[in-house]
Amino acid sequence: QVQLVQSGAEVKKPGASVKVSCKASGYTFTSYVMHWVRQAPGQRPEWMGWINAGNGNARYSQKFQGKVTITRDTSASTAYMELSSLRSEDTAVYYCAGSETYYSYFDYWGQGTLVTVSS
Amino acid sequence: SYVLTQPPSVSVAPGKTARITCGGNNIGSKTVHWYQQKPGQAPVLVIYYDSNRPAGIPERFSGSNSGNTATLTISRVEAGDEAGYCCLVWDSSSDHWVFGGGTKLTVL
Repeated sequence: QVQLVQSGAEVKKPGASVKVSCKASGYTFTSYVMHWVRQAPGQRPEWMGWINAGNGNARYSQKFQGKVTITRDTSASTAYMELSSLRSEDTAVYYCAGSETYYSYFDYWGQGTLVTVSS
Repeated sequence: SYVLTQPPSVSVAPGKTARITCGGNNIGSKTVHWYQQKPGQAPVLVIYYDSNRPAGIPERFSGSNSGNTATLTISRVEAGDEAGYCCLVWDSSSDHWVFGGGTKLTVL
C-alpha cells in the first residue's frame, strides 16, 4: 500500500534552516506530484508548494517563495522540503502529500514532522 | 487571494446529521475536497471532487457544492466521527491550493 514516511521532529534556533524528508513507497514515485503543507498551532493548513517527482519542476506558494526549496531524489523515492531563515512563527507540523497532478486532490499524506523554532 | 470560510465548531448528537459548510466566492465553479483530521494524525480524504467518496469511506459521508457554499454532510453521526474537518480548493486564478480554516465536529 502507498506510504509516505517523514523524518523525525526537529528543534532549530532562529535563523537556522531545516530539511524534512518524505520517503514514498507502494507506487511509482516519479508518477506523482508531492506537495508540502504546514499547520501551525491553532492555524489553518497552508499549502507551501509542490514538486513534479518525474521532472523535478517545483512551484511555490507566493507566501513561501524564497524561503522554501522543494527537491527530490528519484533513486531514493524521497522528496525534501528545506525551510530557511527560521523564525518562531515557522513552528508547525509539516506534511508531505501526494497527488496525481498538481491540480488534483491530495491522495496520500505523510505522518507529519514537528519543527520547533526556539532560542 | 481566494478565501474559504468554515464555522469553527459544529455539535451534533449521535445518530443525527451534521452539516459542515465551506464558503467561498462562487465556490460552486470550483471543485472541493474534504479532509478529516484526528488529533496527532495525518489528514484523511473523505470527499473528493465535491461529492465522491474514496474507497473505505462510509456512505454516511456525502458532499455538495453550489453557489457560494460547499457542504459536507455526515448522516447518522457516530462517536468516531468526532474530528476536525477541512475543505480544500484549487484556485486556478492564482495557481494556489487554498484550505478552509477547519471545523471541529463534536459528538454530544
